[in-house]
Amino acid sequence: EVQLVESGGGLVQPGRSLRLSCAASGFMFDDYAMHWVRQPPGKGLEWVSLISWNSGSRGYADSVKGRFTISRDNAKNVLYLHMNSLRVEDTALYYCAKDLAAFGIAQLDYWGQGTLVTVSS
Amino acid sequence: AIQMTQSPSSLSASVGDRVTITCRASQGIKNDLGWYQQKPGKAPKLLIYDASRLQSGVPSRFSGSGSGTDFTLSIRSLQPDDFATYYCLQDYNYPRTFGQGTKVEIK
Repeated sequence: EVQLVESGGGLVQPGRSLRLSCAASGFMFDDYAMHWVRQPPGKGLEWVSLISWNSGSRGYADSVKGRFTISRDNAKNVLYLHMNSLRVEDTALYYCAKDLAAFGIAQLDYWGQGTLVTVSS
Repeated sequence: AIQMTQSPSSLSASVGDRVTITCRASQGIKNDLGWYQQKPGKAPKLLIYDASRLQSGVPSRFSGSGSGTDFTLSIRSLQPDDFATYYCLQDYNYPRTFGQGTKVEIK
């Protein structure tokens, strides 16, 4: 059974940093691209970032480019999101999600339950 | 970034109705589009990928169509379990972009 468990969220002041983690199990983690998607309270989904299976390709939303960095440790089956210079508008539930396509990049077929990041002074 | 515009933003329908939701891309995206269902307090669920391919385990009353800039998600004979918010997502290029969502409510 595919499981994705996010952690690392919490309350943080504007301008500070936070690192999210996503522990993956139940599939060949190093065969699949992985994504982060966020959802502000009461609002819609916003795609944040993705990393290919071998870390050779990474993409970011314009709203986080230059502030957030995605990475993965295929030996530990863990996905990360390093978030710097946090803003109030980064407040959201952050989901990690697995890509549908092995060795490719497509849609998102499995999602975690999310970790809440609140940016406030 | 490619903009994805969904319509309507909400709709009211009855059990048994046929429902259609549309998603329009600001530029051509071939068939690189997926549809998701999200219920309150839950993670999104993939319904359709490649614009028209049904994800494993998804009921056949869901279908998708379209290519280029215009796409539709149809639900044939709406069931009580289908009342939720639906999103489209383009995977044509970076950054990926979601539509703003369509909330399907009980009439």
